Amino acid sequence: QQQVKQSPQSLIVQKGGISIINCAYENTAFDYFPWYQQFPGKGPALLIAIRPDVSEKKEGRFTISFNKSAKQFSLHIMDSQPGDSATYFCAASFNDYKLSFGAGTTVTVRA
Amino acid sequence: NAGVTQTPKFQVLKTGQSMTLQCAQDMNHEYMSWYRQDPGMGLRLIHYSVGAGITDQGEVPNGYNVSRSTTEDFPLRLLSAAPSQTSVYFCASSYGQSQETQYFGPGTRLLVL
Repeated sequence: QQQVKQSPQSLIVQKGGISIINCAYENTAFDYFPWYQQFPGKGPALLIAIRPDVSEKKEGRFTISFNKSAKQFSLHIMDSQPGDSATYFCAASFNDYKLSFGAGTTVTVRA
Repeated sequence: NAGVTQTPKFQVLKTGQSMTLQCAQDMNHEYMSWYRQDPGMGLRLIHYSVGAGITDQGEVPNGYNVSRSTTEDFPLRLLSAAPSQTSVYFCASSYGQSQETQYFGPGTRLLVL
């Protein structure tokens, strides 16, 4: 049983649009929430991460929004570009190195 | 630095065969782990190691063995391959324990017939 539930499974967005991926968790002990990006045939790579003491973190066109009371967090990709087409995984851990991953979201950006 | 390397890239096995997936890192990372990636399941932790000589089980350890004799290497052994072990396997490493970036290798695609 996955500890982190991710949705949607896939999404298609036009170039310049906003992609939104949502994740929910149950374990309130989680205190680290990274997002990984994976291109076809490659291993995942860390994109951005947040800790529960902040509600939002922005790095370039990528923003994590975190809602501790709802136990939810989301990734927003602003001004989506064809190069953003990839699979995105949310994850969570609680200070012990082991990451619990969501099922992944395949994002396709149409030019 | 080569980062995290994995061999082979692709392997076909028959049911019951054994094999070892190799993983090496040249970043002097203490922490290494193995994940399997299956469609709709994300990545699931198989085994991990917090240093040479120390290993522990993850979420889905059955059918797999690991050992960590050096800091650099963390091989994953399939004792008797089963079709359910058809998957893409990723090795990862990180410098510290918690909340450190995990660096993933390029993966090994395994098909068990």
